[in-house]
Amino acid sequence: NAGVTQTPKFRVLKTGQSMTLLCAQDMNHEYMYWYRQDPGMGLRLIHYSVGEGTTAKGEVPDGYNVSRLKKQNFLLGLESAAPSQTSVYFCASSYTAGDAKQYFGPGTRLTVT
Amino acid sequence: GQNIDQPTEMTATEGAIVQINCTYQTSGFNGLFWYQQHAGEAPTFLSYNVLDGLEEKGRFSSFLSRSKGYSYLLLKELQMKDSASYLCAVRDSYSGAGSYQLTFGKGTKLSVIP
Repeated sequence: NAGVTQTPKFRVLKTGQSMTLLCAQDMNHEYMYWYRQDPGMGLRLIHYSVGEGTTAKGEVPDGYNVSRLKKQNFLLGLESAAPSQTSVYFCASSYTAGDAKQYFGPGTRLTVT
Repeated sequence: GQNIDQPTEMTATEGAIVQINCTYQTSGFNGLFWYQQHAGEAPTFLSYNVLDGLEEKGRFSSFLSRSKGYSYLLLKELQMKDSASYLCAVRDSYSGAGSYQLTFGKGTKLSVIP
């Protein structure tokens, strides 16, 4: 099992460009999450999904959109990138809402210039 | 909402014991988690406490006092590979959108020195 994978690993965007980050998991998990991690800020939840076809907002959703068309994939989109979105993005998944453990992907380092 | 505090950095000696504290103020509580994150890598799950008391798992133990809003992670027989950031996270009550949410502290960077 690959666990949770993320593509790409690194990306540099210019302000105003758009991109999509892909998260895939092969553990048949229902719940998937997108976080961003900034120095001195800790991990913050952007959006999450409780199952195929569902999405919900987290703590910092502005400027991002998500889609969960297939159970194993969770996409994070930036429609018009801003320098404030420079961050490391982590995807995570868990089997149930009550599951104590979230499994994290390796992260995507995004720089917006 | 949640407010979580933990020390920014700590240094300890190889073979020693170190305790990393975490305090929290919450509007809802459904468990406290500790994650380990090596530099440039993903966080990995270490422990979970939902009831008061000590949970032991090998060299790592985690303690919770819900009445005091306090937890600690205890690392024994420190090894160089334990140099990492340790993230405290609190899980909210079940939300209307169908899931719990984790709120993370800013992390404690532990450096283990020879």
